[in-house]
Amino acid sequence: EAGVAQSPRYKIIEKRQSVAFWCNPISGHATLYWYQQILGQGPKLLIQFQNNGVVDDSQLPKDRFSAERLKGVDSTLKIQPAKLEDSAVYLCASSLLGLPPYEQYFGPGTRLTVT
Amino acid sequence: AQTVTQSQPEMSVQEAETVTLSCTYDTSESDYYLFWYKQPPSRQMILVIRQEAYKQQNATENRFSVNFQKAAKSFSLKISDSQLGDAAMYFCAYRTTFLGGGADGLTFGKGTHLIIQP
Repeated sequence: EAGVAQSPRYKIIEKRQSVAFWCNPISGHATLYWYQQILGQGPKLLIQFQNNGVVDDSQLPKDRFSAERLKGVDSTLKIQPAKLEDSAVYLCASSLLGLPPYEQYFGPGTRLTVT
Repeated sequence: AQTVTQSQPEMSVQEAETVTLSCTYDTSESDYYLFWYKQPPSRQMILVIRQEAYKQQNATENRFSVNFQKAAKSFSLKISDSQLGDAAMYFCAYRTTFLGGGADGLTFGKGTHLIIQP
C-alpha cells in the first residue's frame, strides 16, 4: 500500500513570503494531521482533520497559518507571511478513523528554510 | 495537558549490545496509549512499538521491548542486540484515548539520538 505522500520535499523562501505544502494520505484514512518539527525538537501537532472537518487546531498560529482538506482526501498547509521561526520540517500523518491500534503513518516531510 | 520528557539527548551503544532509552510523561488520564517512534536521517517517522496503558504486560516487538511503569509514569525502550540500522532519533509519544471522534494528536518528547558504534 502506498504511504503518505508530501511535496515539495524542500523549500527555501524569504521572510514575509508565502508557501504551501501538500499532503496525500494513505487511501481510506479519514484522519489527517499536520505536525511542525523544529530542529532538535519533537514534532508538535498543528492541526487535525477528520474527513474534511477540523477536529483540533488549538496549536495552529491562525494569524499566519491556514490549512484545508478538500473532499476529505488531500490537504494543503499554507504559511503567509512566513517568519524566520517557521523554519522547520512539516510532517503530515494519517490514520484510520476510530480503530485500534490508532497508529499514525507519517510522510517524509517538507523541510522549510526561511531566510 | 500532557507532557512527555526524554532526558537523554544522546545515547551511544556498541553493536550487538543492549541499550535503554528513557521516557517519562505526565497525565491525569487513566487510559491512554504510548508509542516509540524511530526517525532515521531520511526523516520518515516509523512506529517501533506501542503500549496500551490498561495492559499490564509490557509490549515486545522482536529486539524491542518496553518497561512500562504506570504508577511512575515511565515508559522506557530497550533495544537488544543493537544493529547499525538502529541508529536514528527515537521519540516517545503519548496519545489520549477516546471513544468515537475527537482530538488524538500525538504529544512527543524531544527525542534521543541513538548512535551505534561498530
